[in-house]
Amino acid sequence: DAKTTQPNSMESNEEEPVHLPCNHSTISGTDYIHWYRQLPSQGPEYVIHGLTSNVNNRMASMAIAEDRKSSTLILHRATLRDAAVYYCILKGMTTDSWGKLQFGAGTQVVVTP
Amino acid sequence: EAGVAQSPRYKIIEKRQSVAFWCNPISGHATLYWYQQILGQGPKLLIQFQNNGVVDDSQLPKDRFSAERLKGVDSTLKIQPAKLEDSAVYLCASSLDRWANEKLFFGSGTQLSVL
Repeated sequence: DAKTTQPNSMESNEEEPVHLPCNHSTISGTDYIHWYRQLPSQGPEYVIHGLTSNVNNRMASMAIAEDRKSSTLILHRATLRDAAVYYCILKGMTTDSWGKLQFGAGTQVVVTP
Repeated sequence: EAGVAQSPRYKIIEKRQSVAFWCNPISGHATLYWYQQILGQGPKLLIQFQNNGVVDDSQLPKDRFSAERLKGVDSTLKIQPAKLEDSAVYLCASSLDRWANEKLFFGSGTQLSVL
C-alpha cells in the first residue's frame, strides 16, 4: 500500500493559517489524496480530497504538487475547534487497495488562543 | 441526513468473554468498514464489505474476530474470546461506494475495555 509521511505535531495561533504537509512519494496515478481529521473522543471526519488539481471547500484547501509526491492541507484561519489529529491518506483503485482507507499516525494540531 | 449509528457506546468485559458491536450505515451506502483504534494510534482497518460480501479482511484476527453484514445493510462485529489487547475503540464507517474519490462517514465508535 502507498504510504504517507506527516509531521507528528504542529502548533498554531488562533486565527492564523495552518499549513499541514504530507509526503507520498510512492503515489500511483489512480490514488486520490484524502484528508480526515479526528477530534477528541470522536470518529474521524472527512475534510477534503483531490487527484491532481488544488481543491477548496468550506473547511479547507489542499495544494497538490505538480509531481503529486506531496500535498499540503491549508486551514485558512485556525480556531480552537480545529485542534485535532489530521490524517493524510491515499485511497486507490488497484486490486490490493480498492476502496481501502489506511490511516497512519497523523499530525496533532495544537491551536493556541 | 442520519449518520452512521453504532452501539453500544461503551462496553466493559472481562478477558475470555464475548462481545458484539452493531453498526447501521447511512442508507444507500454500499461499502462498510470496521476499524480498530488503540489509544494513541490511527485507526486500523479490520474488514471491508461491499454490499453483503467481504472484499478485504486481511487484518482481521480471524481466530477470535468475526463480522457479518446480512442483507447488505447493518453489520455486526464480534470478538470471542476477548483478550486484554483488544481494548480499543471500534469504529464503523460507510461510503456510497468504494471508488477512490468516495469519502467515508464514521460513527462515534464503541469503546471497549477488557479487564
